[in-house]
Amino acid sequence: EAGVAQSPRYKIIEKRQSVAFWCNPISGHATLYWYQQILGQGPKLLIQFQNNGVVDDSQLPKDRFSAERLKGVDSTLKIQPAKLEDSAVYLCASSPDRAPNYGYTFGSGTRLTVV
Amino acid sequence: QKEVEQDPGPLSVPEGAIVSLNCTYSNSAFQYFMWYRQYSRKGPELLMYTYSSGNKEDGRFTAQVDKSSKYISLFIRDSQPSDSATYLCAMSAGYGGSQGNLIFGKGTKLSVKP
Repeated sequence: EAGVAQSPRYKIIEKRQSVAFWCNPISGHATLYWYQQILGQGPKLLIQFQNNGVVDDSQLPKDRFSAERLKGVDSTLKIQPAKLEDSAVYLCASSPDRAPNYGYTFGSGTRLTVV
Repeated sequence: QKEVEQDPGPLSVPEGAIVSLNCTYSNSAFQYFMWYRQYSRKGPELLMYTYSSGNKEDGRFTAQVDKSSKYISLFIRDSQPSDSATYLCAMSAGYGGSQGNLIFGKGTKLSVKP
């Protein structure tokens, strides 16, 4: 079974620039999550999709972050404009349904550095 | 007070040692408890999960949940250098919507020396 694919692996941008990350979940997984993991911290949920609908985006800084899930499969996360504090690893995860006891499958993440 | 507290370490042990990793939490609604292992520059991978209180064993790993104390533990027996990673506890209140979302601890960085 192929894992969760993310790209790019690394990105360095200047503050106030924009950036986009892409995620392809495991085939058939209905639920997709974007997490932000700042160095030395645990992952923090940004947004959760069920198919192509948003279930929870309460922790997404909507003034600068946006996300969409195309046709209930791939997803993109965008930051515009970026701030220094956005430097983090952005992790995408998917699961067969909302049941937490199945566990999430995470991708390797995109490491963003804002300078 | 953060919802989930985890000592970030780092923790260094000799090969073969028993390792104890712990988390405390404040939200009594949490019912699902998980441990993830994260190698450097990789995403977290699920190691153990338990529902409600009790113990669960899988090979060298044992997870314990004490809901009365709001305390969870992961024990690693006969630790190996390949166990060197960051261990994240995570928990959720249940199914569906925001109830099923995971709240993570900061992670404990473990190093097992040969």
